[in-house]
Amino acid sequence: SYELTQPPSVSVSPGQTATISCSGDTLGDEFACWYQQKPGQSPVLVIYHDDRRPSGIPERFSGSSSGNTATLTITGAQAVDEADYYCQAWGSGTPWVFGGGTKLTVL
Amino acid sequence: QVQLQESGPGLVKPSETLSLTCNISGGSISNFYWSWIRQSPGKGLEYIGYVYYTGSTSQNPSLNNRVTVSVDRSKNQFFLKLKSVTAADTAVYYCARGRGHSGYDYWGQGILVTVFS
Repeated sequence: SYELTQPPSVSVSPGQTATISCSGDTLGDEFACWYQQKPGQSPVLVIYHDDRRPSGIPERFSGSSSGNTATLTITGAQAVDEADYYCQAWGSGTPWVFGGGTKLTVL
Repeated sequence: QVQLQESGPGLVKPSETLSLTCNISGGSISNFYWSWIRQSPGKGLEYIGYVYYTGSTSQNPSLNNRVTVSVDRSKNQFFLKLKSVTAADTAVYYCARGRGHSGYDYWGQGILVTVFS
């Protein structure tokens, strides 16, 4: 089955840049989305179509894609950004797969 | 503002069918992929399936054809049936609005379903 691979955890100090990667064999042929999920809450879309930001999402969140890897970048991470982050692929051959999730710690 | 709300039994017995409803308010049902996603305790997100507003469907192959997703446009609702459940199906079940490669932009609050004998 198709899989998207994320690092289990990323840790940064406040104000630093956090980067979370997502790799998949055919991710280069698909679009990636990113979701933020805080404990006890529903996921929130923070990036779609590889690099587009929904309205209301802070500018410090950005996305990029190169080859078969998509990347979520949080420039100037804040304590409020501490959460689990999931990538997701949408393409004709994938059943809307999610990555395994990355726990971001800001301390 | 679009709002989604899941409803259904919180307890299901093994081998029975899990049935959930998602009520859509504040927006049109047209042109979207109405989806179910679940999250087992302490685990990640798992796509279950979707129904397009036209009625066409898709499901995660890993669920071995146990999934039925359907829509009632007249009531602005869509539904999930997952048959032959086991303890492994215990999870928080979310309904969400999918825009294809633009992702899931609205989610319900989630409903915990426990498979318990």
